[in-house]
Amino acid sequence: SQQGEEDPQALSIQEGENATMNCSYKTSINNLQWYRQNSGRGLVHLILIRSNEREKHSGRLRVTLDTSKKSSSLLITASRAADTASYFCATVQGGKLIFGQGTELSVKP
Amino acid sequence: EPEVTQTPSHQVTQMGQEVILHCVPISNHLYFYWYRQILGQKVEFLVSFYNNEISEKSEIFDDQFSVERPDGSNFTLKIRSTKLEDSAMYFCASSARRVSGRAIYEQYFGPGTRLTVT
Repeated sequence: SQQGEEDPQALSIQEGENATMNCSYKTSINNLQWYRQNSGRGLVHLILIRSNEREKHSGRLRVTLDTSKKSSSLLITASRAADTASYFCATVQGGKLIFGQGTELSVKP
Repeated sequence: EPEVTQTPSHQVTQMGQEVILHCVPISNHLYFYWYRQILGQKVEFLVSFYNNEISEKSEIFDDQFSVERPDGSNFTLKIRSTKLEDSAMYFCASSARRVSGRAIYEQYFGPGTRLTVT
């Protein structure tokens, strides 16, 4: 499998706290993407980080990439109840996305 | 904002029956994909489609599966003889350009069709 594990598998926090999710992968990449999936819904693209970037921000999201460790992290700052969802990292292999197992985030009001 | 649509939202079928899942990709997109997600598992790639032919397919996409773009807007996934293990959420996605190491464009996903095979 090209994709490793994401951790934690589940994360429960209080509103206002920060949430950090990690992703590991096995092969070399050109970019890594993070998607969100609300329960029973489709996937929504959040952010893309290229292999020559170490950190990227988008609103309350901060993504880091460490190609030497083949890992990435997604930080959501000042979380809200509406952030409750599953979060997946995905790498690109040829013309397809390879997804990780995902982290299920629950933000309690 | 343009979006990918899928119908039906939920399809229940008996084992051995044929099902067709429908998708309308974003209108100016050129690359189309089907993924599936078995309950509690990761999203898995099934097939990609470009220029009216399959670009790539996974091991899951065997002879029971087929895709078609019957007109300029629809993109369908057909399962000829459904099995219990085909029960899953099926997602259609489209992108303006191929998601590859060189052309870096996000994929836009539809809301999914939940297929239940009984």
